[in-house]
Amino acid sequence: EADIYQTPRYLVIGTGKKITLECSQTMGHDKMYWYQQDPGMELHLIHYSYGVNSTEKGDLSSESTVSRIRTEHFPLTLESARPSHTSQYLCASSEFGQDTQYFGPGTRLTVL
Amino acid sequence: QQQVKQSPQSLIVQKGGISIINCAYENTAFDYFPWYQQFPGKGPALLIAIRPDVSEKKEGRFTISFNKSAKQFSLHIMDSQPGDSATYFCAASKNTGNQFYFGTGTSLTVIP
Repeated sequence: EADIYQTPRYLVIGTGKKITLECSQTMGHDKMYWYQQDPGMELHLIHYSYGVNSTEKGDLSSESTVSRIRTEHFPLTLESARPSHTSQYLCASSEFGQDTQYFGPGTRLTVL
Repeated sequence: QQQVKQSPQSLIVQKGGISIINCAYENTAFDYFPWYQQFPGKGPALLIAIRPDVSEKKEGRFTISFNKSAKQFSLHIMDSQPGDSATYFCAASKNTGNQFYFGTGTSLTVIP
């Protein structure tokens, strides 16, 4: 089983709050990813990173931001949460030069 | 525009039967085609993957069939078991996993 962790697992917050979703991996992987997953929809890539101090936006437009200060840590921040941000957020990592992505268990976010 | 199209959306199979899930893609630059299995409350986990230089790959009860000319690939689960009940996602990527494009998922239920 992959060593990639996400906290919190579930979060219910009010509109306008600032939140940070945590993602950590202990595999030393250079690449890390954030996906948004909604029922019946494909996983949408919202951010990715190829290493420390490297971050890129994915195909899906997102109001979130990410940082990569340490190899093992890739947090995602929403400055002002809105009901449209309600979704499941999945973090993943992969080793550079390898194709396999390892996913965390996800954070289910509900914004009221 | 959806890069990978997956069908069916849901599938019910009797125990011992064959489950078949299909995916189609347009971008001929894709060179890696994985299938992920996701159980409720968990992140997706790599099940089996194929590259376009082979037409079939088998791992235990799971087989990927790949048709390069038709730009289609499918997952076959032989002797389906209730423990196989999960959501299955196909995906495609190019250039060693820089970005993955996922299908919309198939919810498989295997009834005893």
